[in-house]
Amino acid sequence: DAGITQSPRHKVTETGTPVTLRCHQTENHRYMYWYRQDPGHGLRLIHYSYGVKDTDKGEVSDGYSVSRSKTEDFLLTLESATSSQTSVYFCAISESNLVSYNEQFFGPGTRLTVL
Amino acid sequence: QQPVQSPQAVILREGEDAVINCSSSKALYSVHWYRQKHGEAPVFLMILLKGGEQKGHEKISASFNEKKQQSSLYLTASQLSYSGTYFCGTEDSGGGADGLTFGKGTHLIIQP
Repeated sequence: DAGITQSPRHKVTETGTPVTLRCHQTENHRYMYWYRQDPGHGLRLIHYSYGVKDTDKGEVSDGYSVSRSKTEDFLLTLESATSSQTSVYFCAISESNLVSYNEQFFGPGTRLTVL
Repeated sequence: QQPVQSPQAVILREGEDAVINCSSSKALYSVHWYRQKHGEAPVFLMILLKGGEQKGHEKISASFNEKKQQSSLYLTASQLSYSGTYFCGTEDSGGGADGLTFGKGTHLIIQP
């Protein structure tokens, strides 16, 4: 299994508070992603990174920011959490090359509840 | 734009076959297939690339029709362990790694 951890695994917070989720990998993969998963929507891309300090927006980036200061860590921040951000958040990593073809490996997920 | 998966759900008896379809309105570079069990992370099954290359598990087969932007996942002689939700994820362009656009999933239930 790919070495990907997410922390925290569960979090309950109140509307308006800042929240940071962490994704840590030990695979030295170049690409990292944050997805959210909601019933009836499948997985939707929030932000992604193609290297240290190189990030870009995904489909549902409003209300989220990211940072990647080291290859192994990708942080997702909700500056002011809202109830609509209650979701399960998955981090994924990949190494796009002739062998892996951008096969993505997912972390265990973080269940976030915003009250 | 999100790819469309069909059927939304299917119930099979152990040993029966199933086909799950994924269709996009955009030109695709690749199609990925993942399986997710309840409460767990999605797990990679297969990737099919424009041009015919593919990589995946030996017991999983799939097809990719580039002209129609459609992919199908074939599950033969289904086992109880095949139960879960299947997602297709699509890429519009290759070379980089811009993330995948996933369908809403197909729920597969295998009964003994």
